[in-house]
Parts: sequence; C-alpha cells; structure tokens
Amino acid sequence: QKEVEQDPGPLSVPEGAIVSLNCTYSNSAFQYFMWYRQYSRKGPELLMYTYSSGNKEDGRFTAQVDKSSKYISLFIRDSQPSDSATYLCACANAGGTSYGKLTFGQGTILTVHP
Amino acid sequence: GAGVSQSPRYKVAKRGQDVALRCDPISGHVSLFWYQQALGQGPEFLTYFQNEAQLDKSGLPSDRFFAERPEGSVSTLKIQRTQQEDSAVYLCASSLPGQGREKLFFGSGTQLSVL
Repeated sequence: QKEVEQDPGPLSVPEGAIVSLNCTYSNSAFQYFMWYRQYSRKGPELLMYTYSSGNKEDGRFTAQVDKSSKYISLFIRDSQPSDSATYLCACANAGGTSYGKLTFGQGTILTVHP
Repeated sequence: GAGVSQSPRYKVAKRGQDVALRCDPISGHVSLFWYQQALGQGPEFLTYFQNEAQLDKSGLPSDRFFAERPEGSVSTLKIQRTQQEDSAVYLCASSLPGQGREKLFFGSGTQLSVL
C-alpha cells in the first residue's frame, strides 16, 4: 500500500461546479501538505501549501487537512475550463533533508466542460 | 531564466545507451531535487542537493543512476545502460533556502523513452 492514496478519477464536471479532491495518507510523521496542479506535458505547479492541520483558502481554492483521520482535501469553487488538469496531493516530513522529499499521490485527472 | 529549465525536452535512447539530463534551477535556489514520474503516476523522489552537496540519494533506483551538481547550480542526472523500465518523465525542482523551502518549483521535465 502506498503512503499517499489518491483516487485517479477521471473526474468530469460542468463549469461552475464545486469540485472536491481527496487524499489519504498513512505516515504520521507527515507535517507538510501540498496540492499541485499539472497541465499536460508540464511540470507540477504548487497551488496550496499547509503546515499541520487546518484550513487554508486562496481565491477559489480551499485546502483542508485533518491529521486525526489522515485526510487531506482540496475544494475548487466556481470551476472553470482552465482548471482542467491533473491534481496531485503531496506530503512531507519536517526538518533535516526531509522537507523537499515529497511523497505524492497518483493524481486525479479533472475535466471541467463548458 | 524565470523558471527551472530542463533539457532536452525529449530523449529517445536505445536500450543499453547512456543518457544525461540537464537541469538549470532558478537563480538563488540552493536546493535542487530530481523526481521520476511514470505514466499515470505521481512523481517519485530520486535525490536532493543543497548547493553542491548531495544530501539524500535514497530514491535512486539502482547504481546505474548518478546525479551531480559540481558548482552548486546546474545539475545533471545520468543514467547508464538504460533499460525499458527507465522510460519516464524526469522532473527537476528547486527551492529557496529558509522559510518556505518546502515549496518546490518544478521544471517541465525530460521525457525519456528507452526502446
């Protein structure tokens, strides 16, 4: 079993819908939680970054981390066709050489159709 | 440049050939990472440099994989005697020192196909 599990989808929604993306993880040492967006033939781009538990909002995007259940979520409000991409969750330990050693989920393919 | 630059963009190799993949990180970013992304999967960590020092190479799949960053800027990932299972996108990422160093900036990757 992988340390970070993510439903690969694909997920298809109409424009304007609220999108919910989720991951679970098994490593209790993870302290940093991130969501990356990856367009086709491009590298991952950091969307949201959270330390420990809690919520973080940035425009149409909200990230939630529940360390008690080892569950992380990304919500996209008023989804747009330009949001169509693969969304990757990532987790990392704190300190030393661990901080950039991200463990990624498989990625969820999202399509927002007009 | 403004972002992480990787070259070549695409590389086709015959099985058994050696390949070298280049990464030019964002100026001022002391940390540099290599990741491997198989088709339909998330990236997997290969190795990490802080300046010229390779501090973690635990993700390198075999001794055929070798990475260097001799002057603390440009890095090269070398794969010797390539095998078909090496086919993947190789991503380079860099980050700033200090606070926010967990935030990685990725390049577009090199897509390696081994025939």
